[in-house]
Amino acid sequence: QKEVEQNSGPLSVPEGAIASLNCTYSDRGSQSFFWYRQYSGKSPELIMFIYSNGDKEDGRFTAQLNKASQYVSLLIRDSQPSDSATYLCAVNRGTSYGKLTFGQGTILTVHP
Amino acid sequence: GAGVSQSPSNKVTEKGKDVELRCDPISGHTALYWYRQSLGQGLEFLIYFQGNSAPDKSGLPSDRFSAERTGGSVSTLTIQRTQQEDSAVYLCASSLTGGDGYTFGSGTRLTVV
Repeated sequence: QKEVEQNSGPLSVPEGAIASLNCTYSDRGSQSFFWYRQYSGKSPELIMFIYSNGDKEDGRFTAQLNKASQYVSLLIRDSQPSDSATYLCAVNRGTSYGKLTFGQGTILTVHP
Repeated sequence: GAGVSQSPSNKVTEKGKDVELRCDPISGHTALYWYRQSLGQGLEFLIYFQGNSAPDKSGLPSDRFSAERTGGSVSTLTIQRTQQEDSAVYLCASSLTGGDGYTFGSGTRLTVV
């Protein structure tokens, strides 16, 4: 079992819809969770991080964490073509320093 | 600097040659990480430096790979006797606290021919 698993997609949604990206992790000791966006040919950029169970909202983005189910998701509301990218889920065993373990990424395409 | 700076941005080398990749982290960031990303693949952890602590080298794929960080700032990743499977984008990242995620540099695309 991979440490961090994501559906590779591609996930295709129409403009204005909600895109839902999912991630599961195997290490129950994981404490911090990150979502990165990576445009083709570019390096990853941080969108959000979440530590506590529940939802965390930032603009059009909502991260959801369920530690009991070892599941973290990212919702993108009012999806725009500019949101088309690969979304990487990453997990850290601690809440401070330490390596992030990344999933393979989900390719999202938002079509007009 | 304002961001994480990596050089060179592209490097083509012949199989068997040694290469050095450089990373200059964001000023004040004590944590520095190296990852690599092969075509269509996720990010593979290589090595991590935090302050004066011993680096976490657990991700280095072979003893041909080594890295150092001088003065708690600039880092150099060295690959000796390069192989074709070393071809990838090598990404450096830095972090102030670690807990709020990393900032990545633009990467070095290494091609071994």
